Amino acid sequence: GAVVSQHPSWVICKSGTSVKIECRSLDFQATTMFWYRQFPKQSLMLMATSNEGSKATYEQGVEKDKFLINHASLTLSTLTVTSAHPEDSSFYICSAMASSGRVGEQYFGPGTRLTVT
Amino acid sequence: GQNIDQPTEMTATEGAIVQINCTYQTSGFNGLFWYQQHAGEAPTFLSYNVLDGLEEKGRFSSFLSRSKGYSYLLLKELQMKDSASYLCAVRGQGGKLIFGQGTELSVKP
Repeated sequence: GAVVSQHPSWVICKSGTSVKIECRSLDFQATTMFWYRQFPKQSLMLMATSNEGSKATYEQGVEKDKFLINHASLTLSTLTVTSAHPEDSSFYICSAMASSGRVGEQYFGPGTRLTVT
Repeated sequence: GQNIDQPTEMTATEGAIVQINCTYQTSGFNGLFWYQQHAGEAPTFLSYNVLDGLEEKGRFSSFLSRSKGYSYLLLKELQMKDSASYLCAVRGQGGKLIFGQGTELSVKP
């Protein structure tokens, strides 16, 4: 089946530093990937849509200069949290939408737990 | 606007049947998904409805009425491991998934 990986699975960083999270589709190509954020006991909130070779589309209220998204290939998207603050501590989940085979199917990565101290 | 509503929490007994409702009002509709999520893990796919009616898959069934903006997830023969959060999500334009707030299901012996 389709597999999406995220790296790292968890990270602790100091306030003011930047953290990069990778999302990879391992056995399929994904022209579109999505980034979600989930706070404790809340649902997933879509942050942005990442399209290969073009700029990401951000949801209302999400700062594009703080959450940098790069989708350089058909199998990799990265989310960089710049100048992280404690309020950025959250569970970040990506999903990849298949562009071949079962087109349109969306597969989730295992998530990255970010803790900013 | 986008609005997806589901109960915050439900409790049921092992072996019983539980129905989790979801109502939605979205600007676009390209299908409704149900996901299961255990604490600290990513959501796992349970079901997908794009046409009206009932989709059955083992102990899980999902129903959709597009005219009413309504769906439900039915879980039969509940097991303790079914204790989790159940997320209703509507797929809109461009494949974007908009999630409801999730229903925390507790299964008790």
